[in-house]
This record gives sequence, structure tokens and C-alpha cells, in this order.
Amino acid sequence: AQSVSQHNHHVILSEAASLELGCNYSYGGTVNLFWYVQYPGQHLQLLLKYFSGDPLVKGIKGFEAEFIKSKFSFNLRKPSVQWSDTAEYFCAVNRGSGGSNYKLTFGKGTLLTVNP
Amino acid sequence: AAGVIQSPRHLIKEKRETATLKCYPIPRHDTVYWYQQGPGQDPQFLISFYEKMQSDKGSIPDRFSAQQFSDYHSELNMSSLELGDSALYFCASSSYRAGANVLTFGAGSRLTVL
Repeated sequence: AQSVSQHNHHVILSEAASLELGCNYSYGGTVNLFWYVQYPGQHLQLLLKYFSGDPLVKGIKGFEAEFIKSKFSFNLRKPSVQWSDTAEYFCAVNRGSGGSNYKLTFGKGTLLTVNP
Repeated sequence: AAGVIQSPRHLIKEKRETATLKCYPIPRHDTVYWYQQGPGQDPQFLISFYEKMQSDKGSIPDRFSAQQFSDYHSELNMSSLELGDSALYFCASSSYRAGANVLTFGAGSRLTVL
């Protein structure tokens, strides 16, 4: 079974600071990797995804993530955060060849607080 | 673009009552997933359906049941509700036929058990 580990439970930054949120996964086969964002009281929204190809993927709102296969990592980055980025961020994986089932396994989430 | 629709958005029930949550997937999506997210927790997979058949089962209590109907909408039925069932219940959909393995989530149904 897959598992996902997010290193930071709560990250507090000032506006314009750079962000990196760590994510490691464990699974013996091919995986698809995702970052979802959840703004306070809202649903999960897809930030970016990696299936194959270029390990550096760009998502919405200036976010990017790098897949490092040797480290089983998929860290999320943003060069300069804004107050509006305050949210909870979830790393998630599903099996690369899921058949009809692409259920996601989530990490515990990282709460990002950006102070103005 | 059409999204995943969940109803009701909010639901308050007493202990031992029953509740039914509904999920309408994105048109032409054939797979539905249910997740439970407790306060301050990560979403936990409950159950999924593909083409009206259960495709996977996670940490769904025996008191809960679900099904997917011919129009692909899904319902999650919860009986003998307990305080610990208070959570946000998300539905997500994807399209296996289209080879799309990205889940799109609905806004969630917030269940409060008193």
C-alpha cells in the first residue's frame, strides 16, 4: 500500500518569503503524484500533478514541484508567497496503473500561514 | 465547466439517526470516490465505485453503505450515527474510460452529529 509523509505540520512565513514543503512517499511501483490545496472551509483543489516526463512540474498560482525518484520525494515550492496562499496543502499519490481505481492516498497535510 | 456536486452542503443529526449524502459526478465521469475528513485531519478514503460496481473499499464503517446508480450519481448512507462521524465528507470523480486519473473533488458535505 502507498503511504505519504509530509514533514512539516505547520509552516509560518512572511509575505514574499520562499516556500518549500516536503513530501515523501513509499510505494514499490509506478505512482502519480499530486499536490492539493484546501483554503479554509473549502474543498480540495488541484495545484499540480506529475505522471511522467519532466520531473519539474508547474502548477497554478506560481507553484511548482520537483519529482526526485531516487529520494521518493515530491516537494512543493513557490519563490514568493502571498497572504492569499494561507491554506492547508496536501501531498497525495495514486498508483500509476490503477486500472479503474485511482484512489488517492493523502499525507497529513501542512498548514501554511502567511503573515502580511 | 461542470463540477462535482454534493448535497446537502450541511447536515445536522442526532446520535443514532441516519443520514444520506449525495454526489453527482462530472458528466461522463464513470468513477466516484468518497472521503471522510475529520477536523484537522487528512482525507481518509472510504469507498469507490466504477460503472456502478464497488471498485475499492477503505476505512468505511459497517454502519455506512454506498452505491452508484445508473446515472452515475452516488449516495452514502450512514446509520446509527455517532459523535465521531462528525466530519466533512468529500466526493470525487474521475474518468477511467478517458484515461484521466485525476480526481476532481466536490465542495463536501459537512455532517455534524449532536
